[in-house]
Amino acid sequence: DQQVKQNSPSLSVQEGRISILNCDYTNSMFDYFLWYKKYPAEGPTFLISISSIKDKNEDGRFTVFLNKSAKHLSLHIVPSQPGDSAVYFCAAKETSGSRLTFGEGTQLTVNP
Amino acid sequence: DSGVTQTPKHLITATGQRVTLRCSPRSGDLSVYWYQQSLDQGLQFLIQYYNGEERAKGNILERFSAQQFPDLHSELNLSSLELGDSALYFCASSETLTSHEQFFGPGTRLTVL
Repeated sequence: DQQVKQNSPSLSVQEGRISILNCDYTNSMFDYFLWYKKYPAEGPTFLISISSIKDKNEDGRFTVFLNKSAKHLSLHIVPSQPGDSAVYFCAAKETSGSRLTFGEGTQLTVNP
Repeated sequence: DSGVTQTPKHLITATGQRVTLRCSPRSGDLSVYWYQQSLDQGLQFLIQYYNGEERAKGNILERFSAQQFPDLHSELNLSSLELGDSALYFCASSETLTSHEQFFGPGTRLTVL
């Protein structure tokens, strides 16, 4: 039972344009969401997070949007840079819990 | 560099064997998590230790076990290895029992032949 889904295995965008990565979840007990970035041969690196009491969180070029009614979140990267090319994982957790539930990941490629 | 270290980086072994993966958390972090990433899959939570005690369990096989030592480093023991156990094994750490952000190590790539 895949509780966190990233339906796009890959995304390709031009440098300077916006990248939008999407994530859906089914478990209504999830109330904290995170995005991780992963380069080959490295571990996932925390990028940005959002609590369910918010609908938007911004950190520099990265913005995460949360639509609780649709159980959907998205990560916007503006402007996209070639160094952003990596696999992006969406993760969710319950506030009272500890484990992260991850999506399958989306490979983002930013072309110069 | 997240501050979480894992050894070894790569491990190649045969079916039926037993291996131990090691993790040192970030300085000050009391919680250690183990995740498995198989081919083309997301990370699957295996187990969590907090200050030496097991606190949460995911879909961890009975052939797998873990522990956290007084110095807070953790070991994941995999026994009676099967081909399907080939995967990346990540360790993560966080400051408290329910901290939101977890910081991941570089992983151990296990190949079972």
